[in-house]
Amino acid sequence: AQSVSQHNHHVILSEAASLELGCNYSYGGTVNLFWYVQYPGQHLQLLLKYFSGDPLVKGIKGFEAEFIKSKFSFNLRKPSVQWSDTAEYFCAVNPPLGGATNKLIFGTGTLLAVQP
Amino acid sequence: KAGVTQTPRYLIKTRGQQVTLSCSPISGHRSVSWYQQTPGQGLQFLFEYFSETQRNKGNFPGRFSGRQFSNSRSEMNVSTLELGDSALYLCASSRLSDLNTEAFFGQGTRLTVV
Repeated sequence: AQSVSQHNHHVILSEAASLELGCNYSYGGTVNLFWYVQYPGQHLQLLLKYFSGDPLVKGIKGFEAEFIKSKFSFNLRKPSVQWSDTAEYFCAVNPPLGGATNKLIFGTGTLLAVQP
Repeated sequence: KAGVTQTPRYLIKTRGQQVTLSCSPISGHRSVSWYQQTPGQGLQFLFEYFSETQRNKGNFPGRFSGRQFSNSRSEMNVSTLELGDSALYLCASSRLSDLNTEAFFGQGTRLTVV
């Protein structure tokens, strides 16, 4: 079945460590890709998005992601995490439905805990 | 500008009852989507509305329904509630004026079925 996979369900890092969260999708064709973050008690917020062009996209708060089409991957990275990055991170795909759509398929999420 | 507003924020219902949740999108946004978030299943797409028409529907039973009004506000309804319907229900809006749009989420309605 077509899906979005996040490999790490729970990640614990110390401050200043580097972060990489994996995301793979199984849709063919042109897809839009997103990373959302959900801080404790807050709503889902967009970290970054990829629609087309440069496969290395930069988002808010020092996050970046690289789209590798041949690997169907869109991994999220941050060189140096902070305690305030503690949150749940979701990868999402806008599947190719033949037209404009707001439908998102989400990965299962990765809970990141950053220890001070 | 104001974000996506969902009401109520919290709701407790008993099995067998029905419930209606409301979502007001960001001004100018014409697309509204609904998602169910649970610890076990994660975020699952329920349905999407654009200009009062349902464009896409997820894999949920017919007890879950929705509608969109001419001012783009949307409601979702769940009838004959089951314990498993306890979840955070999220609404997202977008302009959807072209293929490359992003969705903005509300804070959700936490539904507890007892």
